[in-house]
Amino acid sequence: KNEVEQSPQNLTAQEGEFITINCSYSVGISALHWLQQHPGGGIVSLFMLSSGKKKHGRLIATINIQEKHSSLHITASHPRDSAVYICAVIVTGNQFYFGTGTSLTVIP
Amino acid sequence: NAGVMQNPRHLVRRRGQEARLRCSPMKGHSHVYWYRQLPEEGLKFMVYLQKENIIDESGMPKERFSAEFPKEGPSILRIQQVVRGDSAAYFCASSPLGTSGRKETQYFGPGTRLLVL
Repeated sequence: KNEVEQSPQNLTAQEGEFITINCSYSVGISALHWLQQHPGGGIVSLFMLSSGKKKHGRLIATINIQEKHSSLHITASHPRDSAVYICAVIVTGNQFYFGTGTSLTVIP
Repeated sequence: NAGVMQNPRHLVRRRGQEARLRCSPMKGHSHVYWYRQLPEEGLKFMVYLQKENIIDESGMPKERFSAEFPKEGPSILRIQQVVRGDSAAYFCASSPLGTSGRKETQYFGPGTRLLVL
């Protein structure tokens, strides 16, 4: 069993829809990252959070430490949001455990 | 401030050859991490280094793989006697030195795609 589980694995949405990607983890963590991997392969860190909620533009990330769960929301989705979104948790030291990713396609 | 740089971006090797992947962290960052993404799989942690020290190499294969981060110059991930199963994308990330154990955001490089023929 993976330490980090994401759902859904694949998601197709119409432009403008509100999108939610979920991440559950089974280990104690010190922080959680949401990463975005573009079709070309580059990886960008969207958020790092250890409690509560963060917002950046149309992206919102929340985390519930007690329930070991985080969500990434995208409001007013756009085709350029099409990418793979990866949840990663930081455990001991600086070691990451990664989810397998959610592949998002936003259709115009 | 340039981001994390990796080179080469693409590397082709024949079985048995050596692969050397380089990572230059962001200016001011003293921590480097290497990750591997196998085809159709998620990212996996390989090794965490600070200048001249390996802090955590629990994700490194026991044989053929080594990593260093010298006092001067980039971090190097070295794979000796490559096999087809080593074909993957190798990502490097860097972070600054955290204060009081605080975790710092990691910034990822563009990756090196290694193909072993």
